[in-house]
Amino acid sequence: AQTVTQSQPEMSVQEAETVTLSCTYDTSESNYYLFWYKQPPSRQMILVIRQEAYKQQNATENRFSVNFQKAAKSFSLKISDSQLGDTAMYFCAFMKHRGGGADGLTFGKGTHLIIQP
Amino acid sequence: NAGVTQTPKFRVLKTGQSMTLLCAQDMNHEYMYWYRQDPGMGLRLIHYSVGEGTTAKGEVPDGYNVSRLKKQNFLLGLESAAPSQTSVYFCASRPPGLADISYEQYFGPGTRLTVT
Repeated sequence: AQTVTQSQPEMSVQEAETVTLSCTYDTSESNYYLFWYKQPPSRQMILVIRQEAYKQQNATENRFSVNFQKAAKSFSLKISDSQLGDTAMYFCAFMKHRGGGADGLTFGKGTHLIIQP
Repeated sequence: NAGVTQTPKFRVLKTGQSMTLLCAQDMNHEYMYWYRQDPGMGLRLIHYSVGEGTTAKGEVPDGYNVSRLKKQNFLLGLESAAPSQTSVYFCASRPPGLADISYEQYFGPGTRLTVT
């Protein structure tokens, strides 16, 4: 079984600053997928960014980028030029490649990110 | 195109009562999932289904049953509700395979269930 650990229960930064959220995982799988999900107060789960473990290049989506270190089993999320709308819970999640990932996602406990005006 | 919908959005049950949560998706997805989210926890998988008529246990299946009689619907049942089942329940769906972005899970809006 795999585990996902987010060691920062809560973080607070000023608007326009850059913030990095940490995520580490443990798995015996050699190929897998990693995700960051955002959950605003509306409760809706929103996919922020994804990373295929077989790709060495770090994924980026506009202001969001990841630092994927496969050997260290680390997958951090960097948010640049943070905005008030980025205030939310952020969850790191893992999915196996084996079996087509049919058996779902394993989530970390989340980081509550607060963007201060 | 409504995506993934969940019924009801809120519910309060007394201990020992039963209920069924309905998840429906209109994207013709093969795979469907039920997760629960508790305070201070991420989402944990309860049960999942890889196709009509098939179901499998996830990480926390005890106290729940599921059925997938139609491809578009995935039902989660609580036969005898307990206070420990107070949670927010999320349904999700995705197509099979790992080609390109097909493996993204689409989530419903959640159901808040309180058992007193």
